Amino acid sequence: QKEVEQNSGPLSVPEGAIASLNCTYSDRVSQSFFWYRQYSGKSPELIMSIYSNGDKEDGRFTAQLNKASQYVSLLIRDSQPSDSATYLCAVYVDSYGKLTFGQGTILTVHP
Amino acid sequence: EAQVTQNPRYLITVTGKKLTVTCSQNMNHEYMSWYRQDPGLGLRQIYYSMNVEVTDKGDVPEGYKVSRKEKRNFPLILESPSPNQTSLYFCASSSDSGQGNYGYTFGSGTRLTVV
Repeated sequence: QKEVEQNSGPLSVPEGAIASLNCTYSDRVSQSFFWYRQYSGKSPELIMSIYSNGDKEDGRFTAQLNKASQYVSLLIRDSQPSDSATYLCAVYVDSYGKLTFGQGTILTVHP
Repeated sequence: EAQVTQNPRYLITVTGKKLTVTCSQNMNHEYMSWYRQDPGLGLRQIYYSMNVEVTDKGDVPEGYKVSRKEKRNFPLILESPSPNQTSLYFCASSSDSGQGNYGYTFGSGTRLTVV
């Protein structure tokens, strides 16, 4: 079983809709969770971090964490074409810097 | 400007010719890491370092070496590159190990081709 799993998509949503991206992880001791956005040909960019159960909101983005179910998700409200990118889920598996990524979900927002 | 700087951005080399990809950060971060990104395989961690002279293997360390003699620099060394090391490489740095909200900040990437 992979440590961090994401549905590779592609996920296609219309402009203005809510995009929902999901991620599961296997290591129960994981403490911190991140969502990165990566545009084609660019480096990953951190957009959200979460380490407590529940929801964390930042603008149009909401990260949700459920440690009991080992599940983290990202909601993007009012999706825009500029949100079209690959979204990477990442999990810290120790306290020494080992950050493991899922394979990413390709999101396309169409006008 | 706070950033992680990698050089070179593009590199074509031949099998077996030793090369070094440099990485430097100006944010005084303790943690640094190297990743490679391949289609269908995602981002995989090669090595990471939590401080000067402290390094550890990631998920795909074979064929790579690193050193952390100074806090700001974390070069990636390929002693004898092979074609299967053709990839997009990212250096990253962080001020925490997951106990805070920061995560890794990534450099612009180095596209390496080994022929």
